[in-house]
Amino acid sequence: KQEVTQIPAALSVPEGENLVLNCSFTDSAIYNLQWFRQDPGKGLTSLLLIQSSQREQTSGRLNASLDKSSGRSTLYIAASQPGDSATYLCAVHTGRRALTFGSGTRLQVQP
Amino acid sequence: EAGVAQSPRYKIIEKRQSVAFWCNPISGHATLYWYQQILGQGPKLLIQFQNNGVVDDSQLPKDRFSAERLKGVDSTLKIQPAKLEDSAVYLCASSSLLAGGLNEQFFGPGTRLTVL
Repeated sequence: KQEVTQIPAALSVPEGENLVLNCSFTDSAIYNLQWFRQDPGKGLTSLLLIQSSQREQTSGRLNASLDKSSGRSTLYIAASQPGDSATYLCAVHTGRRALTFGSGTRLQVQP
Repeated sequence: EAGVAQSPRYKIIEKRQSVAFWCNPISGHATLYWYQQILGQGPKLLIQFQNNGVVDDSQLPKDRFSAERLKGVDSTLKIQPAKLEDSAVYLCASSSLLAGGLNEQFFGPGTRLTVL
């Protein structure tokens, strides 16, 4: 059974800092990995999707990497801003294409 | 392109009452998912539809939860009777499985259920 773990559970940083969020999964037989952002009381917004054949994806200040063999992914946020404050969720696509999620990292960027 | 629509956005009920949630996926998306997200946790899959057929309902508490997707478009999720532990956000997502396995899921805003 696939399990996804995210570390840290919560993170508070000053504005402008570069930061890394970690995600690990137990079964390396994945199709894709997705990073989402969730604002309080809102649904999930897809940030980046990495196919199993890829090693990284970039979108603006965000960069996500994938190391399938070791069961790890990282989300790198450059020059963090208060507007980045949210919960970040990592999810992997399993055999039936549904997503298995981690519990998320709650990020607070202090102005 | 319109996103995934869900209603209602909020619902408060007493335990043992029934409740229903509605989802309209992105046009043309054959796959529809219902997830349950308990506070402080990541979403957990309840049921997955491919068109109007069930692909995976292994984690759906079938004694109280039911879901249908008539005509392969809209879907409803029902809870009867509700328990206190059903308090959660219910998220609907849809995807279009493209060649190569790319299966990006798009989520609706969710329905926040509170059971008193």
